[in-house]
Amino acid sequence: GAGVSQSPRYKVAKRGQDVALRCDPISGHVSLFWYQQALGQGPEFLTYFQNEAQLDKSGLPSDRFFAERPEGSVSTLKIQRTQQEDSAVYLCASSYLDTQYFGPGTRLTVL
Amino acid sequence: AQSVTQLGSHVSVSEGALVLLRCNYSSSVPPYLFWYVQYPNQGLQLLLKYTTGATLVKGINGFEAEFKKSETSFHLTKPSAHMSDAAEYFCAVSDQRGGTSYGKLTFGQGTILTVHP
Repeated sequence: GAGVSQSPRYKVAKRGQDVALRCDPISGHVSLFWYQQALGQGPEFLTYFQNEAQLDKSGLPSDRFFAERPEGSVSTLKIQRTQQEDSAVYLCASSYLDTQYFGPGTRLTVL
Repeated sequence: AQSVTQLGSHVSVSEGALVLLRCNYSSSVPPYLFWYVQYPNQGLQLLLKYTTGATLVKGINGFEAEFKKSETSFHLTKPSAHMSDAAEYFCAVSDQRGGTSYGKLTFGQGTILTVHP
């Protein structure tokens, strides 16, 4: 079956613009995670959903970051007023039992 | 809080040589442990995982890892490297599922494996 998909794969934004990153999880996966991977670093946890409920948003770096999953399937990570330090790869993962399955990521570059 | 340390940000081996990528973790509860591989411009692919039971776990592409509780380690090995193994490898830890735990991953910094002919 299809894996986790993310769009767009690449996004270039001017500083101050708002961006929206989409994640389509594997069908039927209840749990969904977002991670941020800075250049040369390991991924870092941003937020977690169980169905439509956002149960943990402790990793979101500022109130400019917002995530939603209104129908318990597709999720969107929104970043308002982007800053240069937001440049990173944003990874989405959905999970079944103990294993997380990752999408290819969205590479965000803020100029 | 959990943490993961991968010793060596770059490892270089010859084709056919042993691959050893080191991972040490800290966790306040018995952890679940994972190794993921990341090829350029791709997402993370699970190589293997340890949850419970046998401490030597085998994964895809000939990789294996051994959970050593006394050493808080979960090193990744492969007896004979192939050119196609060149990639970045990440060790990760999560709390066990159950109760209020949901398994978010804490990753190490990654190790880039280079394989030369």
